[in-house]
Amino acid sequence: GAGVSQSPRYKVAKRGQDVALRCDPISGHVSLFWYQQALGQGPEFLTYFQNEAQLDKSGLPSDRFFAERPEGSVSTLKIQRTQQEDSAVYLCASSFDSSAYEQYFGPGTRLTVT
Amino acid sequence: GIQVEQSPPDLILQEGANSTLRCNFSDSVNNLQWFHQNPWGQLINLFYIPSGTKQNGRLSATTVATERYSLLYISSSQTTDSGVYFCAVERGNSGYALNFGKGTSLLVTP
Repeated sequence: GAGVSQSPRYKVAKRGQDVALRCDPISGHVSLFWYQQALGQGPEFLTYFQNEAQLDKSGLPSDRFFAERPEGSVSTLKIQRTQQEDSAVYLCASSFDSSAYEQYFGPGTRLTVT
Repeated sequence: GIQVEQSPPDLILQEGANSTLRCNFSDSVNNLQWFHQNPWGQLINLFYIPSGTKQNGRLSATTVATERYSLLYISSSQTTDSGVYFCAVERGNSGYALNFGKGTSLLVTP
């Protein structure tokens, strides 16, 4: 079956622009996660959804970052007024349920802020 | 939160050699996964292994939960094994998100 998909794969934004990154999880997966991966580092947690409920957003670096999953399937990560330090790969993962289930990752969106 | 340490940070092997990658973690976990991040950035699931031993072809993994470490074995390495190997454990209080180590960067030469 289809895996996790993300779009766009690459995004170049000028400083100050808003961007929206999309994630389509594996069908039927209840849990959805967003991670940020800086160059040469491991992914770092941003936020977590169980169905449409955002249960944990403790990893979002600032109030310019906003995520939603209104129908419990597709999710969008929005970054307002992008800054250079936002340049990173944004990874989406999904799992069948919450704790102790294997997470599957999408290919990521590479965001470059110029 | 849970601390995850991976070693070695870098590794160069000649094709055909074997290797062992280690992951130490600082607390009990419900979830431990090993990933291979290929040169295109895709994280590929290798093992879901909060405890015990699993094997998949040339790869195998062992997690000793009581001693808080996991090992990934690569046998008869191939150039396509090159990339970064990450160990990730389920984060402490939230119980859901993965906390990643810094990875082991592996280069397999012909």
